[in-house]
Amino acid sequence: GENVEQHPSTLSVQEGDSAVIKCTYSDSASNYFPWYKQELGKRPQLIIDIRSNVGEKKDQRIAVTLNKTAKHFSLHITETQPEDSAVYFCAESAGTALIFGKGTTLSVSS
Amino acid sequence: GAVVSQHPSWVICKSGTSVKIECRSLDFQATTMFWYRQFPKQSLMLMATSNEGSKATYEQGVEKDKFLINHASLTLSTLTVTSAHPEDSSFYICSATGGVNYNEQFFGPGTRLTVL
Repeated sequence: GENVEQHPSTLSVQEGDSAVIKCTYSDSASNYFPWYKQELGKRPQLIIDIRSNVGEKKDQRIAVTLNKTAKHFSLHITETQPEDSAVYFCAESAGTALIFGKGTTLSVSS
Repeated sequence: GAVVSQHPSWVICKSGTSVKIECRSLDFQATTMFWYRQFPKQSLMLMATSNEGSKATYEQGVEKDKFLINHASLTLSTLTVTSAHPEDSSFYICSATGGVNYNEQFFGPGTRLTVL
């Protein structure tokens, strides 16, 4: 079945450093890859997404890259700030249902 | 735009009782709604997918007779946890699709269920 592996499970960085989170998927039919940020007790918030016909997408300090051949995609956050601290989930979809990775707890210390 | 609400935001109930959670799309018609549960420090696990006017499709391992889903209109889906037990205590989140970007899911704020 569909599976998404996400690494690392925890990530601690200093303010201003970059953070990279990687996900690998198994379903070759997957065509949509969103990233969500979730703060404790709140709903997941979409921060960036990418489709299978695009290799890279950037939005200010956040970028996502997709390698369809290798079936992996990554989230890059540059110039991290303390408010970036949260749990980040990757997800993939081949239709409408999303399959989520297990999450990465990002801690940014000032 | 694309706002999804959930009610209640939290509920505490006694073991054996049933609890209904509502999920509404406020400014768009949701062709498909999804229900997830999330245990502390874990990921979102898809429970079921529901399309308006048809029976929900449940993920493997989710008891359809325990988690009743109704999607009676394009703006409302309900999840009823029947005969709730303490192990059902969790964060239940709904999401909906139906906008121009058919893949994008808009999440509700979640419902914290505690079963005593």
